[in-house]
Amino acid sequence: AQSVTQPDIHITVSEGASLELRCNYSYGATPYLFWYVQSPGQGLQLLLKYFSGDTLVQGIKGFEAEFKRSQSSFNLRKPSVHWSDAAEYFCAVGAMGSGGSNYKLTFGKGTLLTVNP
Amino acid sequence: DTGVSQDPRHKITKRGQNVTFRCDPISEHNRLYWYRQTLGQGPEFLTYFQNEAQLEKSRLLSDRFSAERPKGSFSTLEIQRTEQGDSAMYLCASSFGRDGYTFGSGTRLTVV
Repeated sequence: AQSVTQPDIHITVSEGASLELRCNYSYGATPYLFWYVQSPGQGLQLLLKYFSGDTLVQGIKGFEAEFKRSQSSFNLRKPSVHWSDAAEYFCAVGAMGSGGSNYKLTFGKGTLLTVNP
Repeated sequence: DTGVSQDPRHKITKRGQNVTFRCDPISEHNRLYWYRQTLGQGPEFLTYFQNEAQLEKSRLLSDRFSAERPKGSFSTLEIQRTEQGDSAMYLCASSFGRDGYTFGSGTRLTVV
C-alpha cells in the first residue's frame, strides 16, 4: 500500500526567505504526486502535480516541486515566502484504482507553515 | 460552475442521531470522492464513485456510513447513530481524467 511521510510537522520562516517542505512517498509503481494547501477551516487547493516527464514541476503561487525517484521524494520549494503563504501543506501520492485512469490519493499528515514578518 | 459545493458547512448533532451531508461536484467531473480529516491529520479516503457506481470503499467506512450518488450527479454521505469519534471534517472532491482533485470546503461535524 502507498504511504506519504512529511517529516516536518511545523516550520517557521521569515517573510522573504526561501522555503522547502519535505515529502517522501512509498509506492511500488510510478507515482502520481501532488501538493495541496489548506487554509484554516477550508478545503484543499491544488498547488501542483506530477504524472510523468520533466521532474521539476511548476505550480501556482510561485511554488515548484522536484520529483527524485532515487530518493522517493517530492519536495516543495518557493524562493521567497509571502505572509499569505502561511497555511498547512499536504503532500499526496496517487495510486491507480479501479475504473481505469482513476487514482486514489493518500495524504501525508501535513506541514504547518508559519511566516514571521 | 464555481467548484465543488458541500452542504452544510457545519453540523452539530447529538450522539446517536443520524446526519446527512451533500456534495455537488463540478458538473463535468465523472469521479467523486469522500474523505475524512481529523485534527492534525491529512485527509483519509472513505469512498469513491465513478458516475453513479460506488467502486471502492475504505475499511474506515463502517456499516453506519452509507454514500450514494444517484444519477451520477450530486452525492450524499449519511452517518447513522453518530458517535463522538465521528467528529471530523468531511471533504468531498471531484475529478476528471488525470486532473488533480478539486475539493469542496468541507462539512465540519461535531458530535456532542
